[in-house]
Amino acid sequence: DAKTTQPPSMDCAEGRAANLPCNHSTISGNEYVYWYRQIHSQGPQYIIHGLKNNETNEMASLIITEDRKSSTLILPHATLRDTAVYYCIVRPAYSGAGSYQLTFGKGTKLSVIP
Amino acid sequence: NAGVTQTPKFRVLKTGQSMTLLCAQDMNHEYMYWYRQDPGMGLRLIHYSVGEGTTAKGEVPDGYNVSRLKKQNFLLGLESAAPSQTSVYFCASSYAGTRYGYTFGSGTRLTVV
Repeated sequence: DAKTTQPPSMDCAEGRAANLPCNHSTISGNEYVYWYRQIHSQGPQYIIHGLKNNETNEMASLIITEDRKSSTLILPHATLRDTAVYYCIVRPAYSGAGSYQLTFGKGTKLSVIP
Repeated sequence: NAGVTQTPKFRVLKTGQSMTLLCAQDMNHEYMYWYRQDPGMGLRLIHYSVGEGTTAKGEVPDGYNVSRLKKQNFLLGLESAAPSQTSVYFCASSYAGTRYGYTFGSGTRLTVV
């Protein structure tokens, strides 16, 4: 009963934009979309999250479709250090039982190629 | 500012032994979490805490106990280790509420033989 669907792997040329898609067609109106990444053997790293509007920070941009059923994480200028597994996660916006568990699926293995 | 620090980084246990994994955070975060990650699988929540003195079960709590006596520390205990508990354990912390990302530690690699 995965709440998100991501491609298992993607390649991106160094210096180009990496666009990682995520499908979350069953998302409800009070759920955030979060993105994390995990570089080999390290702990996951928070990247960005959003509810309805597109978001941008120093690491990435998050584009959420108007119907909120899918989103795209954009790394504008990928480097070799961006090679990692990227996780798209849907999480309730309220606090309480059931909201604390981030459910990590298998994610997308992004390989940045020189 | 060290973030989230986990000790030890590596440990080998014999079946039936006990041990405690320590997680410490210096960001004044209210919430803390313990996850485990097995090969080819995503992270699974073991236990979590929303404040000093409070803990709750996550997705896979059996065989583990936790304590949060101080706000900055979250301990994960294995009373009688089993080979099925061989895994990489990650601790994380966050501010209260669900609008904030988690900060993860670098992990503890535990092998039970």
